[in-house]
Amino acid sequence: DAKTTQPPSMDCAEGRAANLPCNHSTISGNEYVYWYRQIHSQGPQYIIHGLKNNETNEMASLIITEDRKSSTLILPHATLRDTAVYYCIVRVAVVPGTYKYIFGTGTRLKVLA
Amino acid sequence: ETGVTQTPRHLVMGMTNKKSLKCEQHLGHNAMYWYKQSAKKPLELMFVYSLEERVENNSVPSRFSPECPNSSHLFLHLHTLQPEDSALYLCASSQLASRYGYTFGSGTRLTVV
Repeated sequence: DAKTTQPPSMDCAEGRAANLPCNHSTISGNEYVYWYRQIHSQGPQYIIHGLKNNETNEMASLIITEDRKSSTLILPHATLRDTAVYYCIVRVAVVPGTYKYIFGTGTRLKVLA
Repeated sequence: ETGVTQTPRHLVMGMTNKKSLKCEQHLGHNAMYWYKQSAKKPLELMFVYSLEERVENNSVPSRFSPECPNSSHLFLHLHTLQPEDSALYLCASSQLASRYGYTFGSGTRLTVV
């Protein structure tokens, strides 16, 4: 089972910030949180990842709570092209050094004009 | 172009056919993965390969047969499929023991008739 829970859907007005929450209450101290998005029928696209510090790149910001039990992905100025399913993932070790992603149902973000 | 290339992009096959899906990565990664995504469902992990060795088979029926001849190539051989096997098949790759995540291909849309 996925180690994360996300709301099934959210709407956001174009140009506004989209804040997507994720709960990962069973995360271990050395496990990273990854965010991906999937635009209809394409392969998932990497957005950002983090361990305990907040992270920012050209696509988004990731805010991780101090207890690491939840995080928020922020798209600062959402556009219509950001409409997609967003997945929050905590990877699981298969064998040492090899990890697998267990995908949940994600959050379907709809950006409205 | 993500650096992970899947061919063909679309495939229609009869239930008695034998076909193969191909995945090639140009990223120097050494772990590769097959996922299945049925309509309106989350991605399901099928197989994990680490250094060309299969390290996880997620209860996948034997009509799906993976092959990893080297670290750059991954195949999924298909035979005697059922209509319910129609789905988007996604390949991904990653670097072992790295905090960086997977890179996905664009997928093969398979229809079994």
